[in-house]
Amino acid sequence: DTGVSQNPRHKITKRGQNVTFRCDPISEHNRLYWYRQTLGQGPEFLTYFQNEAQLEKSRLLSDRFSAERPKGSFSTLEIQRTEQGDSAMYLCASITTGGAWETQYFGPGTRLLVL
Amino acid sequence: DAKTTQPNSMESNEEEPVHLPCNHSTISGTDYIHWYRQLPSQGPEYVIHGLTSNVNNRMASLAIAEDRKSSTLILHRATLRDAAVYYCILRDPDNQFYFGTGTSLTVIP
Repeated sequence: DTGVSQNPRHKITKRGQNVTFRCDPISEHNRLYWYRQTLGQGPEFLTYFQNEAQLEKSRLLSDRFSAERPKGSFSTLEIQRTEQGDSAMYLCASITTGGAWETQYFGPGTRLLVL
Repeated sequence: DAKTTQPNSMESNEEEPVHLPCNHSTISGTDYIHWYRQLPSQGPEYVIHGLTSNVNNRMASLAIAEDRKSSTLILHRATLRDAAVYYCILRDPDNQFYFGTGTSLTVIP
């Protein structure tokens, strides 16, 4: 257990529905990342927050995706009008920045299946 | 945009050392080399990282080539619990991680 939690762990939805995932990072970590991982591939960067500010978005993050970190603590990732291609594991990671020994701590992920 | 190259898979006998190679020929002077591993249905788990010098911790050792264009993760005695996908990652100064497809390690009892 890294201290990063994600909910739900699994989500099955029908195409066209909206889904929302939550990530609770390690409490003192000021930076939070979202990744997507499909079968047989490594995690792909989606977006990250420095405190409550969303600083970068990948081109993978279409306009159907939105992420928030309202108080610089937990974060949510929402997918609107889900498509079958959105089926993947969604991973959250957190880090505290400012030192040479920084590393990202990952949560267990939310596995999404779009039918 | 993966910046590292790893073999797709490797096998090792239990209780023998394992050397997992990684090439990162385009590494910049400020990129750190990180290794993570991922068990099925879990998030990646930190293993070790370094910049220029070799590093040791309780999980593994990291040997970094003098020109920093390659590195090797060393598991001193493989156990069945070490079976996982191992990712070699470059971390840029902005803390961005670029994962490749990793090496799937099989440990044979």
